[in-house]
Amino acid sequence: EPEVTQTPSHQVTQMGQEVILRCVPISNHLYFYWYRQILGQKVEFLVSFYNNEISEKSEIFDDQFSVERPDGSNFTLKIRSTKLEDSAMYFCASTRQGAVDEQFFGPGTRLTVL
Amino acid sequence: QKEVEQDPGPLSVPEGAIVSLNCTYSNSAFQYFMWYRQYSRKGPELLMYTYSSGNKEDGRFTAQVDKSSKYISLFIRDSQPSDSATYLCAMSAQAAGNKLTFGGGTRVLVKP
Repeated sequence: EPEVTQTPSHQVTQMGQEVILRCVPISNHLYFYWYRQILGQKVEFLVSFYNNEISEKSEIFDDQFSVERPDGSNFTLKIRSTKLEDSAMYFCASTRQGAVDEQFFGPGTRLTVL
Repeated sequence: QKEVEQDPGPLSVPEGAIVSLNCTYSNSAFQYFMWYRQYSRKGPELLMYTYSSGNKEDGRFTAQVDKSSKYISLFIRDSQPSDSATYLCAMSAQAAGNKLTFGGGTRVLVKP
């Protein structure tokens, strides 16, 4: 069964450093998403991406965040200058079409900012 | 008022019991309603998907949506210890590129 994969599973970084979280969505999917979940809190939407551009972003997704689909398979989330409060689980999700299909979530990357 | 509210639990039931979960929401634009299951330190896994009001059944799971009351429910029949997890409700308003708004999750423990 096809699945969304994410690497690394755990990333530890120093405050102020740049990190890139990587995702490989399911191959025939068209919409891609990043969500985050701070420990003990809700899963929060960050950004959606379709046709090589951002279709929607939340207030959390400020200038320090960016997304890219550098090739036909990867989808990345970059955080330019990490803050302590960026520590969270980051989930990538994809869906075949945005209308009624389910969003398949990856296993997540745990980001720890020291 | 939070957009989506969900009792955090924990909800502890004996094996074989019916688990009853619910969420309330405030945004009347929500039309698509989902229930996800999340095991510790894993990604959410979709269990049920419902569009608009009504009931939907899939095996041991039944989802109900009452848009007039802004209230959704998930019932798990014949619960098993493997059903022990956190259950998240999620909803979206738009059809294309539909971002999900999640509840905080209810932790469920099914005791053998």
